[in-house]
Amino acid sequence: QSALTQPASVSGSPGQSITISCSGTSSDVGGFDYVSWYQHHPGKAPKLMIYDVRNRPSGISYRFSGSKSGNTASLTISGLQAEDEADYYCCSYASSTNLLFGGGTKLTVL
Amino acid sequence: QVQLQESGPGLVKPSQTLSLTCTVSGGSISSADYYWSWIRQPPGKGLEWIGYIYNTGSTYYNPSLKSRVIISVDTSKNQFSLNVTSVTAADTAVYYCGRYRYGSRIDFWGQGSLVTVSS
Repeated sequence: QSALTQPASVSGSPGQSITISCSGTSSDVGGFDYVSWYQHHPGKAPKLMIYDVRNRPSGISYRFSGSKSGNTASLTISGLQAEDEADYYCCSYASSTNLLFGGGTKLTVL
Repeated sequence: QVQLQESGPGLVKPSQTLSLTCTVSGGSISSADYYWSWIRQPPGKGLEWIGYIYNTGSTYYNPSLKSRVIISVDTSKNQFSLNVTSVTAADTAVYYCGRYRYGSRIDFWGQGSLVTVSS
């Protein structure tokens, strides 16, 4: 099964908001409310930012929010900060592979 | 706070078996609520789900890797392991272990272990 589809890159200025999309099918993103998002700084462990579409783990800033419409999930980061610059991956439960990751999106804070 | 740490050889020859171990601290691998997973990231590419194991030994593997992957668990040592057989250069990647809440999320990850397949 192919990876979930994410834009290769997005960018924004400090203080702005950006949204990263994650497109799948009815067998993954659209079929289950099990979408998670991970922040990955190169050389470090990926960090869970959002789970079950819209839930934030303890300690994650309110600036990070998640949503879903149909077969597409989204991660929105408001009030961009320099420290938000990283790679972001979406992930969904999938009927065929159990879990399926997106290809990743590089966020650049200008 | 749960912590995971991967360990194993950083270099494996083609056609041989890649073996990694993940040691879990700060929590029990026998917890009923969690599964234990492996994920990898080839250089310049995205994350790829390898599979998971439960404390009973029950496993699930990504169909794309199923024929070459074995995940095992040692509850007495609070460890689980990954074996990938018949490796090629395409198996070169950073390998991560993680604590997996079934279907929902990988909430704790190891730092990752780079494994290079080369003669």
